[in-house]
Amino acid sequence: SQQGEEDPQALSIQEGENATMNCSYKTSINNLQWYRQNSGRGLVHLILIRSNEREKHSGRLRVTLDTSKKSSSLLITASRAADTASYFCATDAGGAQKLVFGQGTRLTINP
Amino acid sequence: DAMVIQNPRYQVTQFGKPVTLSCSQTLNHNVMYWYQQKSSQAPKLLFHYYDKDFNNEADTPDNFQSRRPNTSFCFLDIRSPGLGDAAMYLCATRAGGIGNQPQHFGDGTRLSIL
Repeated sequence: SQQGEEDPQALSIQEGENATMNCSYKTSINNLQWYRQNSGRGLVHLILIRSNEREKHSGRLRVTLDTSKKSSSLLITASRAADTASYFCATDAGGAQKLVFGQGTRLTINP
Repeated sequence: DAMVIQNPRYQVTQFGKPVTLSCSQTLNHNVMYWYQQKSSQAPKLLFHYYDKDFNNEADTPDNFQSRRPNTSFCFLDIRSPGLGDAAMYLCATRAGGIGNQPQHFGDGTRLSIL
């Protein structure tokens, strides 16, 4: 399978703590993307990091990319109850217009 | 706001009875995707259109068909739904031909099979 791996599969933390999710992939990529999915809803794009970038920030989100290890991490700082969702990484190898999704991390923020 | 709209949000059909799910977009994106997502799993790509060109995934069952009459609309037809086809179906779009673009998803149609 070309699917990426994410860990942990589930993460439960207290509000205000930081949450870190990891993603590993198998093939060369043009970019790696992170998406959030609230229960019963579609996926929402959070951040895209290109293969020549190592770190990217957007608000409380910080994404890192290590192409030598074929891995990425998503850090959410100062978590809020509204951050409760599933988070998916997806890799774009270019050309085929397709994304390869990881299995996702289910994040629960406890008030 | 430009968006991807899926109708209906919930669809119930009978075993073996054809069903059509619809997707429309105001983003004017030339690439449209259909995904199947089962509980606690990643979305699974069924097929996608690049402009009018249809691209089927090798493991998509023949039971699943798609139509794209124009840039804005795309349909997913399930000819004879089985119990295993109960899932969330997600439509997404993307600006093709431009590098490093994300996909934009609708809120999905949850399909139940009686």
